[in-house]
Amino acid sequence: AQKITQTQPGMFVQEKEAVTLDCTYDTSDPSYGLFWYKQPSSGEMIFLIYQGSYDQQNATEGRYSLNFQKARKSANLVISASQLGDSAMYFCAMRVHTGFQKLVFGTGTRLLVSP
Amino acid sequence: GAVVSQHPSWVICKSGTSVKIECRSLDFQATTMFWYRQFPKQSLMLMATSNEGSKATYEQGVEKDKFLINHASLTLSTLTVTSAHPEDSSFYICSARVTSGGNNEQFFGPGTRLTVL
Repeated sequence: AQKITQTQPGMFVQEKEAVTLDCTYDTSDPSYGLFWYKQPSSGEMIFLIYQGSYDQQNATEGRYSLNFQKARKSANLVISASQLGDSAMYFCAMRVHTGFQKLVFGTGTRLLVSP
Repeated sequence: GAVVSQHPSWVICKSGTSVKIECRSLDFQATTMFWYRQFPKQSLMLMATSNEGSKATYEQGVEKDKFLINHASLTLSTLTVTSAHPEDSSFYICSARVTSGGNNEQFFGPGTRLTVL
């Protein structure tokens, strides 16, 4: 069974600083994908970044980067140069590449960016 | 990116009535759509996987007869909450997966907030 764990219910960061949001996962499937989504107060789910289990390099998308450590089964999200608009809930998710390829979410981390 | 719409964005209904929520992929075809429920300050919980032209696959603990899912076309899936009760009040989010090329990204609709009085 797939499981995603986010141990930080809330994180604070000052504007312009970097912040790391933790995510660990568990699966017995060798092929899987890891996702990070941002959910502002409006409720929409915004896709941020994707890392495939066979990808050799860590994924990056603008100010977002994913610190993928396969042996440790961790996929932490790093946000550089935080902005006030980054304040939101952040969810880590995993999808194994078998069956219906369901996306399973962690419990989320609420990030607050202060001026 | 691909766009997924949901209608309505919010709905208030009386206990005992049924509510239908539509999920549409606007600029792509989606053979598979997913329905999630999110309670306040909680994570998204997968309710069911909807495949075009076949019966939906429900997650354990989700009542099939209460949450009716119909995926009649490659761009439309509907969730009907039958005989709604206050405990069904929640934020319902659908998503659709792009199956051609790319990373099989999953795009989410904006959600539907259901309040049952």
